[in-house]
Amino acid sequence: SQQGEEDPQALSIQEGENATMNCSYKTSINNLQWYRQNSGRGLVHLILIRSNEREKHSGRLRVTLDTSKKSSSLLITASRAADTASYFCAGGGYSGAGSYQLTFGKGTKLSVIP
Amino acid sequence: DSGVTQTPKHLITATGQRVTLRCSPRSGDLSVYWYQQSLDQGLQFLIQYYNGEERAKGNILERFSAQQFPDLHSELNLSSLELGDSALYFCASSEKTGLSSTEAFFGQGTRLTVV
Repeated sequence: SQQGEEDPQALSIQEGENATMNCSYKTSINNLQWYRQNSGRGLVHLILIRSNEREKHSGRLRVTLDTSKKSSSLLITASRAADTASYFCAGGGYSGAGSYQLTFGKGTKLSVIP
Repeated sequence: DSGVTQTPKHLITATGQRVTLRCSPRSGDLSVYWYQQSLDQGLQFLIQYYNGEERAKGNILERFSAQQFPDLHSELNLSSLELGDSALYFCASSEKTGLSSTEAFFGQGTRLTVV
């Protein structure tokens, strides 16, 4: 089962605009991570926000986390054509057996038009 | 380059066959995860190993099995293959398990096509 549900499923914007993607998750987490995937390639880790953090920045990325609503958002500012990719959120937490797991959502497909 | 190596990159095989996918984690990483990515199911967690021991199981079919060897590389064995097993299979590694903040490093994946 998917931990996260990204919204929207697909997003198309003009270069220079900001892109906002949202993620909702179901179970309790220790952290929420965002990954990027270029078509058919491996996932690349972008940013991690811990459950006791509310906002985090990394370059043009801004992530927020609202544990009361079980939701997170990823904002990419001043988008570039090279940002075109699929973006996944992943909840990091412990399973019933005590092992740490990363559970992914279905992703948002971002297209940035030059 | 994530430091995680997966082989082969592409695999085409017939239904009913058995294949083995291989993963070498980043140097020093003890934890290995396997994921299956298909168009309709998204990224599904299959199984996790930590330092040679199975730690967690996800949506892994009984026809699939995995192991992690003493040198920490891992293999995912898929048998009695069906058309629906066609997917991208990713391996990821992380430094430890049991930490509250751990990112995973992904390989480039093996694209399996069952015909």
